[in-house]
Formats: sequence, structure tokens, C-alpha cells
Amino acid sequence: AQSVAQPEDQVNVAEGNPLTVKCTYSVSGNPYLFWYVQYPNRGLQFLLKYITGDNLVKGSYGFEAEFNKSQTSFHLKKPSALVSDSALYFCAVRDITTGGFKTIFGAGTRLFVKA
Amino acid sequence: KAGVTQTPRYLIKTRGQQVTLSCSPISGHRSVSWYQQTPGQGLQFLFEYFSETQRNKGNFPGRFSGRQFSNSRSEMNVSTLELGDSALYLCASNSGTEVYEQYFGPGTRLTVT
Repeated sequence: AQSVAQPEDQVNVAEGNPLTVKCTYSVSGNPYLFWYVQYPNRGLQFLLKYITGDNLVKGSYGFEAEFNKSQTSFHLKKPSALVSDSALYFCAVRDITTGGFKTIFGAGTRLFVKA
Repeated sequence: KAGVTQTPRYLIKTRGQQVTLSCSPISGHRSVSWYQQTPGQGLQFLFEYFSETQRNKGNFPGRFSGRQFSNSRSEMNVSTLELGDSALYLCASNSGTEVYEQYFGPGTRLTVT
């Protein structure tokens, strides 16, 4: 079964410092991986995806993620955090065994960026 | 292009009642997915519809149902509401051209009292 784990409930970082939000996955076959961000009382916004190709994926708002097949990880990173990056971040994997758009989400990591 | 529309945005119901939520996807998208978000269970997949047919279903009781119309608009229905059904219900409009991309609506916040 496809699954995603986000080991940290919360990440705290100072503005201007680099940030990392961790994600590990378990899939059968090739993974289709995603990161989404959610601001209070809002839906999810797509940040980036890995389907195939370069292990370093660049996304919206200066975020990037590194796909590591041997460690089954897909960590989200940003070189310099902003206070406005404070939000809830979800790692997700597409369940391709069923076809269609069934997405399995991690529990989420709340990011706090302190000024 | 217009985004995903969900109505209503907020809803308060009483235990035992039923509720219908609506989702209008992005024009041209033929697939819609529904998710339930709660603090305890996180984001859980409910079901997906493609061209008026249910293509995938999550592990929810039969009280949760959905349908899709010929214009791709989708509704989900929850009957005999329970307190635990209080959640943010998110609809995603699924792209058939941009590979695997989902665009989420703002959600409907359902409170069951």
C-alpha cells in the first residue's frame, strides 16, 4: 500500500535561515510525489511534484524538493525562509495502483517562521 | 481561468440530518476528487469521479456518497450526520492535460452539533 510519513508535527525556523520539511514514502512501483501548502481557512495549494527526471525539483515561491530513491525521501527545502511561509505543509503520493487521482497525504507539518 | 468553486463555504447541521455539498471544477476538467480533512485523521480520500462515473473510492461508510453531472459538477452527500463528520471537505479538480495535477477548492467547513 502507498503511504507517506511526515515525521515532524512542527518545524520552527528563523526568518532568513534555510528550512527543511521532511517526508518519506512507501510505494509499489515508481513514486509520483507532491508537496502542497495550506494557509488558514484555505484549500491546498500545489507547490511542486516529482514524476520522473532530475532528483531536484523546483517549485513555487522558491521552494524545492530533493527526491532520494535509496532513502525513499522527498524533503521540501527553501534556502531562505520568510515569515509568510508559515503554514501547514503536506507531502503526498499518488496511488497509481488504482489509476485516476487518488492521493495519499501525510499528516502534515506546521512550519513556523519567526521574524 | 476560473478556479474550483465549492458551495456552501460554511454549514452547520444537527446530528441525524443529511447534507449535500457542491463542487464546480475548472472548465475542461472531467475528474473531481473529494477529501475530508480533520485534525485527528488528517486528509483522507473520499472518492473520485470521472465522466459521471465513480473511479475510486476511499474507506468511508456508505453514508458518504457522491455523484457527478454531465457538466462535470460534482456533489457529495452525507446522510445521518454524526459529530465525527465535522470537518473541512475539499474538492479537487483534476487535470487531464497537466500530468497528475490537482487544483483544490477552498473547502466547505461542516460543523455537526
